[in-house]
Amino acid sequence: NAGVTQTPKFRILKIGQSMTLQCTQDMNHNYMYWYRQDPGMGLKLIYYSVGAGITDKGEVPNGYNVSRSTTEDFPLRLELAAPSQTSVYFCASSLPGGGTDTQYFGPGTRLTVL
Amino acid sequence: GENVEQHPSTLSVQEGDSAVIKCTYSDSASNYFPWYKQELGKRPQLIIDIRSNVGEKKDQRIAVTLNKTAKHFSLHITETQPEDSAVYFCAATPMDSSYKLIFGSGTRLLVRP
Repeated sequence: NAGVTQTPKFRILKIGQSMTLQCTQDMNHNYMYWYRQDPGMGLKLIYYSVGAGITDKGEVPNGYNVSRSTTEDFPLRLELAAPSQTSVYFCASSLPGGGTDTQYFGPGTRLTVL
Repeated sequence: GENVEQHPSTLSVQEGDSAVIKCTYSDSASNYFPWYKQELGKRPQLIIDIRSNVGEKKDQRIAVTLNKTAKHFSLHITETQPEDSAVYFCAATPMDSSYKLIFGSGTRLLVRP
């Protein structure tokens, strides 16, 4: 299993541009999450999903959108990028009730907005 | 909502010494408390977790203790090694969701050889 994969690894955006961060997991996990990690800070939950077709806001959802059309994929959309969205973005997945609540993280996408 | 505070923000220890990182949480209904380790430039990885029905859990050199009354939990690393150097994050589940995690701000641990 590849686990949780994310693309791209790095991206530089200009203010006002849009982009989609891709996340895919091959562990058949129902639950998926998007976090952002600012330099020297902890992880803040942006959006999460408990299954295909179901998404909900986390702690810091403003400026982002998500969709979950399949169990495997959970893309994060940035509209009208702003410098405040410069961060490292991590996708994660888990299978609560499967004997563990462990969240498995992807390798991250480092985004810079100039 | 749930709030998790983590201390200290940085910790430097001599190789072989013990390291202790402490977290407090605000939601008395929280029942799951994982610890993640993040090496420089890498993804966070779970190292140990504890549930509210257990007071202590050990895994080799790593242990976690939970005090529900005081609403705090701690990570203990004994016989530290240079490869333990990393950022450690605690987390807790908020009352309104057992599968969301609220993370602390992290502790940068440096083990001096």
